[in-house]
Amino acid sequence: NAGVTQTPKFQVLKTGQSMTLQCAQDMNHEYMSWYRQDPGMGLRLIHYSVGAGITDQGEVPNGYNVSRSTTEDFPLRLLSAAPSQTSVYFCASRSGTGSSYNEQFFGPGTRLTVL
Amino acid sequence: GQQVMQIPQYQHVQEGEDFTTYCNSSTTLSNIQWYKQRPGGHPVFLIQLVKSGEVKKQKRLTFQFGEAKKNSSLHITATQTTDVGTYFCVKGSGNQFYFGTGTSLTVIP
Repeated sequence: NAGVTQTPKFQVLKTGQSMTLQCAQDMNHEYMSWYRQDPGMGLRLIHYSVGAGITDQGEVPNGYNVSRSTTEDFPLRLLSAAPSQTSVYFCASRSGTGSSYNEQFFGPGTRLTVL
Repeated sequence: GQQVMQIPQYQHVQEGEDFTTYCNSSTTLSNIQWYKQRPGGHPVFLIQLVKSGEVKKQKRLTFQFGEAKKNSSLHITATQTTDVGTYFCVKGSGNQFYFGTGTSLTVIP
């Protein structure tokens, strides 16, 4: 099993450009999520999904869109990149949803710089 | 509101010394998870605590959940260089997870 994979590893964008960060998992997990990590801060939840066709907002959703057409994939879209979105982005998945609170498995991260 | 406060932010210890990080919440926690992130890496799950007063051990790591379920701690006995990294406590609330700010541990050989 590859676990949770993310592409690309690194990306540089100009302000206003759009891009999609890819995330895939091969563990048949219902729950998938996106976090951003900024220096000196913990991870903050952007969006999450409890199954194909179901997504919801997390703590910091503004400027990001998600969709979940399959169990395996959960892409994160930046429609118009801003310097404030410079961060490291982590995708995670876990089995179960709601208060089962099973461990989350994280991907290796995407380091994004917006100039 | 949903924040979990974690202290200290940084800790430097000599190899062989003990280390403790503390996590506090203003509201009662249904559970608390701990993750470790090595420099340049991704968070890796360590443990989950759900019961009031629960204590769990993993080799040199001891995890505690407060009696009132508002605080938790991670204690490492006799640190080693392999313990280097940032330790996060994480609060689960429904389908959302809230990370503490983390404690960055440096171990001096």
